[in-house]
Amino acid sequence: AQTVTQSQPEMSVQEAETVTLSCTYDTSESDYYLFWYKQPPSRQMILVIRQEAYKQQNATENRFSVNFQKAAKSFSLKISDSQLGDAAMYFCAYRDSNYQLIWGAGTKLIIKP
Amino acid sequence: DTGVSQDPRHKITKRGQNVTFRCDPISEHNRLYWYRQTLGQGPEFLTYFQNEAQLEKSRLLSDRFSAERPKGSFSTLEIQRTEQGDSAMYLCASVAGGPKNEQFFGPGTRLTVL
Repeated sequence: AQTVTQSQPEMSVQEAETVTLSCTYDTSESDYYLFWYKQPPSRQMILVIRQEAYKQQNATENRFSVNFQKAAKSFSLKISDSQLGDAAMYFCAYRDSNYQLIWGAGTKLIIKP
Repeated sequence: DTGVSQDPRHKITKRGQNVTFRCDPISEHNRLYWYRQTLGQGPEFLTYFQNEAQLEKSRLLSDRFSAERPKGSFSTLEIQRTEQGDSAMYLCASVAGGPKNEQFFGPGTRLTVL
């Protein structure tokens, strides 16, 4: 069965600095999708960035980028120029061939002004 | 706002009572998912629908839980004879067809069982 591990329960970063959140996963499938979702306090879960496993190029969305290492089964999220609005729980998720999402336990990101 | 709504946002009930939650997905989305999220954890899959058909249920979903999606539109999740361990956030997500499409989440229903 697939598993997703986020080893950092909490991370903090100074405003305008860069932070990297870690995620590792385990799977025997070769084709899958990986996601980072953001869940602000008392607000809805929203998609931050998506990576397709068959694409070697790392996905980027403005200040958000990933470092996808397929052989190492690693999928980290880099947030550049951190802003106060980035404070949230960040969840890494793996989508299997049945379109189900398997989630990590989350990383709480604190932005220091 | 993602376009997915859930009602109620909060529910407090006594142990042993039945509760029902509703999810209204984005109208053109044919897949609908239910998750349960406890404090400090990621969501856990409960069940999902493609149109009106319930295609899979998690082992986590005991016989006290039932879900429906009549006519492939809104969905309801009912918990019978609630227990304190049912206290959690219940999330609904919808997605259009196709492997690339993301899940859009509702705000969740927070259930507290006293």
